Amino acid sequence: KNEVEQSPQNLTAQEGEFITINCSYSVGISALHWLQQHPGGGIVSLFMLSSGKKKHGRLIATINIQEKHSSLHITASHPRDSAVYICAVWPGGSEKLVFGKGMKLTVNP
Amino acid sequence: EAGVTQSPTHLIKTRGQQATLRCSPISGHTSVYWYQQALGLGLQFLLWYDEGEERNRGNFPPRFSGRQFPNYSSELNVNALELEDSALYLCASSLHRGSGTQYFGPGTRLLVL
Repeated sequence: KNEVEQSPQNLTAQEGEFITINCSYSVGISALHWLQQHPGGGIVSLFMLSSGKKKHGRLIATINIQEKHSSLHITASHPRDSAVYICAVWPGGSEKLVFGKGMKLTVNP
Repeated sequence: EAGVTQSPTHLIKTRGQQATLRCSPISGHTSVYWYQQALGLGLQFLLWYDEGEERNRGNFPPRFSGRQFPNYSSELNVNALELEDSALYLCASSLHRGSGTQYFGPGTRLLVL
């Protein structure tokens, strides 16, 4: 079993829909990252969370440390949001990120 | 401010050859991380350099190695290339060691024929 599980693996949505991407992990962590990878391969760091909630534009990330779960929400989705969204955790006491397999989002116009 | 840069963008090699990939971190960042993303697989941690020293490595054979220079740029060397080494190699840098935000470069696509 992977230490980091993401669901769903693929998601197709219509422009304007509210989207939720989930990430569950099985280890104690010091931080969780949400990353966005576009088809060309480039990766952008969206959020780093250790508690609570963060918002940036149409993106909201939440984390529940007790339940070992994080969600990334996209409001008013747009075709340019189409990408792979990757959850990564920094296990407590470790010095390396552990990645989920990513969720491929396609937003159709 | 310039982001993380990597070179070359694409690299084609044959089995048994050596590949050298380069990374320049954001100015002021001392930690450099290398990741491998093989086709159909998730990102996997390869190596971490901080202040010129190798601090940690992932589950990769010794033919994957690298170094960090005094200006904090880094090089990843892959010796005795195998077909399964074909992947996107990503470099990231961070200001602080530990769980700080990592900033990723555009990657180097390595194809081993």
